[in-house]
Amino acid sequence: TQLLEQSPQFLSIQEGENLTVYCNSSSVFSSLQWYRQEPGEGPVLLVTVVTGGEVKKLKRLTFQFGDARKDSSLHITAAQPGDTGLYLCAGMGGGSNYKLTFGKGTLLTVNP
Amino acid sequence: NAGVTQTPKFQVLKTGQSMTLQCAQDMNHEYMSWYRQDPGMGLRLIHYSVGAGITDQGEVPNGYNVSRSTTEDFPLRLLSAAPSQTSVYFCASSYSYRVGYTFGSGTRLTVV
Repeated sequence: TQLLEQSPQFLSIQEGENLTVYCNSSSVFSSLQWYRQEPGEGPVLLVTVVTGGEVKKLKRLTFQFGDARKDSSLHITAAQPGDTGLYLCAGMGGGSNYKLTFGKGTLLTVNP
Repeated sequence: NAGVTQTPKFQVLKTGQSMTLQCAQDMNHEYMSWYRQDPGMGLRLIHYSVGAGITDQGEVPNGYNVSRSTTEDFPLRLLSAAPSQTSVYFCASSYSYRVGYTFGSGTRLTVV
């Protein structure tokens, strides 16, 4: 089983602050995905990264895939209350391994 | 375009009862998966399918059965419900194993 460790588990910040969430593993992934989940809803895909060293930006969110494809980070600039939610990273194994493994998530609260 | 539809949204079962959680997608996606989400445990893969007629076990398959007779449907069967199966269940689908998944809104199951 490929394990993904997310940190921090909880994060409470003020509106306007910056933050980074980390997703680490000892395994190599063919792709890594980030999702955001709100209470009572299913996760919603934010981004997929597939190339080592890849950086993707989605407005104030910046996603990076590690060079060795074992880790990833999510950076939010100038956080807003609407960014509040559970952020999940998920890795897809390589070759014929089609299992998508999730980290336990980072619960972000942005206070106005 | 309805996306991924899960029914029912809520269900209470008695220990030992059986039931089927329904999942249907209208996006012609080949890849479908079932996850359960428990507090502090993140999303754990139960079973997944890479196409009609092809299924495989995930991380926590015991007590659950699946079949995939059509591309659109991927039902999850609980054979004999146990309190440990109290959870929120999510179905997800994707058109490629390298691209992110679309999740349903979940089924909240309580076994008493």
